[in-house]
Order: sequence, then structure tokens, then C-alpha cells
Amino acid sequence: SQTIHQWPATLVQPVGSPLSLECTVEGTSNPNLYWYRQAAGRGLQLLFYSVGIGQISSEVPQNLSASRPQDRQFILSSKKLLLSDSGFYLCAWSGEFPGDEQFFGPGTRLTVL
Amino acid sequence: GENVEQHPSTLSVQEGDSAVIKCTYSDSASNYFPWYKQELGKGPQLIIDIRSNVGEKKDQRIAVTLNKTAKHFSLHITETQPEDSAVYFCAALYNFNKFYFGSGTKLNVKP
Repeated sequence: SQTIHQWPATLVQPVGSPLSLECTVEGTSNPNLYWYRQAAGRGLQLLFYSVGIGQISSEVPQNLSASRPQDRQFILSSKKLLLSDSGFYLCAWSGEFPGDEQFFGPGTRLTVL
Repeated sequence: GENVEQHPSTLSVQEGDSAVIKCTYSDSASNYFPWYKQELGKGPQLIIDIRSNVGEKKDQRIAVTLNKTAKHFSLHITETQPEDSAVYFCAALYNFNKFYFGSGTKLNVKP
């Protein structure tokens, strides 16, 4: 069966520091991969999605970036964190075919101080 | 792009009653509509979904209905239990591989 992992689970970082969040998927190949951000008590905002290695689509202009160095690895990065980057970051995967179900990871709680 | 609206934002029901959450979408090309349940501090969990070639789908106490003409779909939970308390999100698939989510409904089931 397929599983999705995210780490770290929680992170506290100072303003201006760099960020690297990692997501890996097991048990599937050629998945679509997604990064979402969820502010406290709010809905899910799509940040990036990827349909293949090196292919990244950005949904929201910001100081975050994403990379997909391997088929089942998705990384969210920032060179300099802002206070507004605090939130719950969720990685998700879906099958490569349109209409395939989407499944979420456990999330990373990021607090920028 | 797609726009998904979800109502109500909060819903409080007595244990054993039914709960209904409604969503509307804007892109008539959307053809896949999942529902997620999110417990505090966890990632959303897929609980049921429906595709545009079907009007209704049931899974035990949970059902989803879809009205393509009106572009709205609903989640129905019958015989609610305290463990159904969570935040529920609807979503619509747009442009083959992008999902747009509603703003969420916080369901509170009172024992």
C-alpha cells in the first residue's frame, strides 16, 4: 500500500532563516505531488504541484519554492522566512491520471518567530 | 480557475441527528469531487468522493450527492456520533490535476 511521509513534524524558526521541508511517497510511481498551506482555522491553499521530476507549477507568488529531485520526493524551501510563512504545511499525492484520488501526509507545523 | 464555496462554516448537531454540508463550484469542466475529514493537528483524510457520471454515492453513514446542472454537491452524515466531530473539506478537481478546496466546516456532535 501507499504511504506518504513528511518531516519534520514541527519546526520553530526565526524570521530570515532558511527552510527545507521534505515529503516522500512510498508504494507508487509517477505520482502527482502537491504542497498546501493551511493557516490556523482556515482552508487549504495550493502552493505548488508537480506532475514529474523537475516539473513544478507555482500557484501563489511568494518567497517559497519547491523542487522534485526524485520521482517520489518533494521539497519545499525558502531562503528567508517571513512571519507570514507560519502555518500547517501539507504534502499530498495523487495518481498520474486525471481524477485519481488525492491523499495527504501528516503535515508539518511551522512557527516563524 | 476554480472557485469552491462551502457552507456552513460551523455546524453543531445532537448525537444521532443528521448533518449536511454543501459546496458549490464554478468550473463546469470539474468532474471529480472528494470530501475530506481533518482532525486536529492531522492531515485531511479522504472519506468519500463522487465523479460527474454519478448523482449519489453512499458508504455506510456517509453519502454524497452531486447536481451537475446547479454545480453543487453535498455531504450527508446520518446517525452522527461524537467521533464524527472534525473539520470537513470539500474539493473539486480542476484542469486534470489541481484540486481546489472549500473553506471547511467545523462539525461538532454533542453527546
